[in-house]
Amino acid sequence: DSGVTQTPKHLITATGQRVTLRCSPRSGDLSVYWYQQSLDQGLQFLIHYYNGEERAKGNILERFSAQQFPDLHSELNLSSLELGDSALYFCASRGTGGADTQYFGPGTRLTVL
Amino acid sequence: AQKVTQAQTEISVVEKEDVTLDCVYETRDTTYYLFWYKQPPSGELVFLIRRNSFDEQNEISGRYSWNFQKSTSSFNFTITASQVVDSAVYFCALSEENYGGSQGNLIFGKGTKLSVKP
Repeated sequence: DSGVTQTPKHLITATGQRVTLRCSPRSGDLSVYWYQQSLDQGLQFLIHYYNGEERAKGNILERFSAQQFPDLHSELNLSSLELGDSALYFCASRGTGGADTQYFGPGTRLTVL
Repeated sequence: AQKVTQAQTEISVVEKEDVTLDCVYETRDTTYYLFWYKQPPSGELVFLIRRNSFDEQNEISGRYSWNFQKSTSSFNFTITASQVVDSAVYFCALSEENYGGSQGNLIFGKGTKLSVKP
């Protein structure tokens, strides 16, 4: 158990809908990273938050957004969903040390029908 | 450009065989970190090891060992006496760090699927 929690574990929805994925980092970790794993693109970095502030963006679509709340949990919002958004979404948390390891949550499997 | 290449898409071995998973990386930075993660069939990503660019010592942990060679930009992973429970997808990843640790997103290779047959 990495100590990172993600909910829900599975999500099935229809095209055009909006969903919210939730992540709680390990106790004491300030950084949350979101990644998408799909068959064609592999594991890709989406966005990074540190202590409530956005720090870096990767290959995140404009239809996707995220935030990190004062209690450090983070939410990834996906809107106007398309079939191609079906993927496994991971969040990872990292400690405050510059070289700390990212520990991953169990992931949310999103299926868009 | 930052890039991680795992040329072996799939490897199949018989239990007790040794197997090496290859990882080659590209980076512009002199300070960087390399990682291996395991993704078993259940889907979670499990951290195995982290190496920084200044530490070229090889590491052994039980049946696992890692060989880091900056001269060839490689960070290979060997499983000795493989077991069925080692069956998983293994990812090599690179992180380029800025001071303060405020970034450091991971760049993953495509992964190597290892199947260990009894």
